[in-house]
Amino acid sequence: EVQLVESGGGLVQPGGSLRLSCAASGFSFSNYWMSWARQAPGKGLEWVANIRQDGSEEQYVDSMRGRFTISRDNPKNSLYLQMNSLRVDDTAVYYCVTTSRGHSHDYWGQGTLVTVSS
Amino acid sequence: DVVMTQSPLSLPVTLGQPASISCRSSQSLLDSDGSTFLSWFQQRPGQSPRRLIYKVSNRDSGVPDRFSGSGSGTDFTLNISRVEAEDVGVYYCRQGTHWPWTFGQGTRLEIK
Repeated sequence: EVQLVESGGGLVQPGGSLRLSCAASGFSFSNYWMSWARQAPGKGLEWVANIRQDGSEEQYVDSMRGRFTISRDNPKNSLYLQMNSLRVDDTAVYYCVTTSRGHSHDYWGQGTLVTVSS
Repeated sequence: DVVMTQSPLSLPVTLGQPASISCRSSQSLLDSDGSTFLSWFQQRPGQSPRRLIYKVSNRDSGVPDRFSGSGSGTDFTLNISRVEAEDVGVYYCRQGTHWPWTFGQGTRLEIK
């Protein structure tokens, strides 16, 4: 059974930093691109970032490029999101996602809430 | 960025009746390899999203066959042949052809 368990969310002041972690199990982690997506309270879904299987390529939504960094540790089956210069509008539930665009493989974690507020 | 526009945004449906959600993209979702990366997601109340359909019309593993997807280019549709109580929630289309991947606004399905 595929499991994605996020951790690291919490309350942070504007301008602060937070590092999210995702522990993956039940699938061959190193064989898949991994992603983060988010959902502001009561709002729709937004993709955040992708990282290639070996970590050699990263993709970011423009509003997060330069502030967020996605990374992975394949031996530890773990995905990370380093978030710096956080803004109030970064407040959201952040989901760890493993997905294949062209095959039946798409799983989401339960999400971790990040609240940016003074 | 590719803008995804869903309609309707609210969909009241009687149990056992069909339902249909439309999704239009601001540019073609046909990739250079001939694939069209349009997916549909379901988000039940209080739950994480779940993908139902990938590449326009392929059902993910475990998805009931009452869900089907169709379309091409810029116009896509999710159909539910007979709505059940467990189908209540918000449905999103998402394109994965152009970076950044983008979602529609969501369609809230409720039982009439």
